Amino acid sequence: QAVVTQEPSLTVSPGGTVTLTCGSSGGAVTSGHYAYWFQQKPGQAPRTLIFDTINRHFWIPGRFSGSLLGGKAALTLSGAQPEDEADYYCSLSYNGVYVVFGGGTKLTVL
Amino acid sequence: EVQLVESGGGLVQPGGSLRLSCAASGFTLTGYWMYWVRQVPGKGLVWVSRINSDGSSTSYADSVKGRFTISRDNAKNTLYLQMNSLRPEDTALYYCAGPGGSWAHWGQGTLVTVSS
Repeated sequence: QAVVTQEPSLTVSPGGTVTLTCGSSGGAVTSGHYAYWFQQKPGQAPRTLIFDTINRHFWIPGRFSGSLLGGKAALTLSGAQPEDEADYYCSLSYNGVYVVFGGGTKLTVL
Repeated sequence: EVQLVESGGGLVQPGGSLRLSCAASGFTLTGYWMYWVRQVPGKGLVWVSRINSDGSSTSYADSVKGRFTISRDNAKNTLYLQMNSLRPEDTALYYCAGPGGSWAHWGQGTLVTVSS
């Protein structure tokens, strides 16, 4: 199975912008990988932020956006808030058969 | 209120079996793919399995293939994961998620501990 890679950790200043990326060992990530982005805070279940690369659930703040960037899936947080400090995971779908999660990015807002 | 509620976890000896359930309320599972994901406390998320809307197509992570079986009962609005030949490395919090491609909802998870 493929390996999905994420930055282990990132730091962003309050009000700042940060981009998290999600790469595949199999090559460039495309819309056919149906990238997802999840947020998880300590002691909580994950929450889905972005599905199918760019779609955001209506209850997710607009400061989160998904895209494809340089052969990877990307999650951009614009105007970071203290409550955005969390672990972020991406997942990619392969041939519509199986899904692989990345190892997660620990985002610090400081 | 839309909810997914997992149950059936617990302590089991290596080689044993458990069946997890995921009951949906506030919406119908009918017509939607559903998923199981697991997480060792303090570690990352790992995809386990998925099932299509009528149960005719399933897929599994290599680590559980041949040991776990995903199924659903749309009449009961419930998703299942039958886990056989359990190993210590299967110890994790098991989440169900869905519906369909939006993954809009996650349960709170049920803890499975495989130990002698």
